[in-house]
Amino acid sequence: AQSVTQLGSHVSVSEGALVLLRCNYSSSVPPYLFWYVQYPNQGLQLLLKYTSAATLVKGINGFEAEFKKSETSFHLTKPSAHMSDAAEYFCAVTLNTGGFKTIFGAGTRLFVKA
Amino acid sequence: DTAVSQTPKYLVTQMGNDKSIKCEQNLGHDTMYWYKQDSKKFLKIMFSYNNKELIINETVPNRFSPKSPDKAHLNLHINSLELGDSAVYFCASSQEDRDSSPLHFGNGTRLTVT
Repeated sequence: AQSVTQLGSHVSVSEGALVLLRCNYSSSVPPYLFWYVQYPNQGLQLLLKYTSAATLVKGINGFEAEFKKSETSFHLTKPSAHMSDAAEYFCAVTLNTGGFKTIFGAGTRLFVKA
Repeated sequence: DTAVSQTPKYLVTQMGNDKSIKCEQNLGHDTMYWYKQDSKKFLKIMFSYNNKELIINETVPNRFSPKSPDKAHLNLHINSLELGDSAVYFCASSQEDRDSSPLHFGNGTRLTVT
């Protein structure tokens, strides 16, 4: 069965520092993986998705993620954090159970300190 | 020009009441979903519809009944509300029922049952 695990429910970085949010997946077949961001009182927005075309995926707002099959990881990074990056981040994978459903990790709350 | 819109944004009601949440998408997508987000931000799929046809029905109490009058609308009716139904309910849509299609979310309906 496919699933995703996000390591760390909370991550705190200083403004300008590297952001690293960890996601590991379990899948018996090449997965479709996604990162979404949720700002307070809003729905989730797609940051980026991996669809096997390239292992390094660039998304919006300067975020990128690298698919590493050997490590079953899809970690999200951003070289320099901005205050506006403070939000909840979700890693997700899509399952085919007779219909396609997206399964989300538990989320990682990113705090950015001035 | 909101892509996925839900109403109402807030819903406060008493146990035992019946309530509905409406969702509309103007993206021309074929597939729509209902997700429930609990107080710990955990997201769980409830239902998906593809072109008005029910595709996914997770283990959800039958007090919850989705209805899709056309592919642009997916409403959620809840009977005999219970305290545990308090959560944020998100409607989402995707271009088609496939694993590479990202989700587009509404801004959620915060349901509080007292």
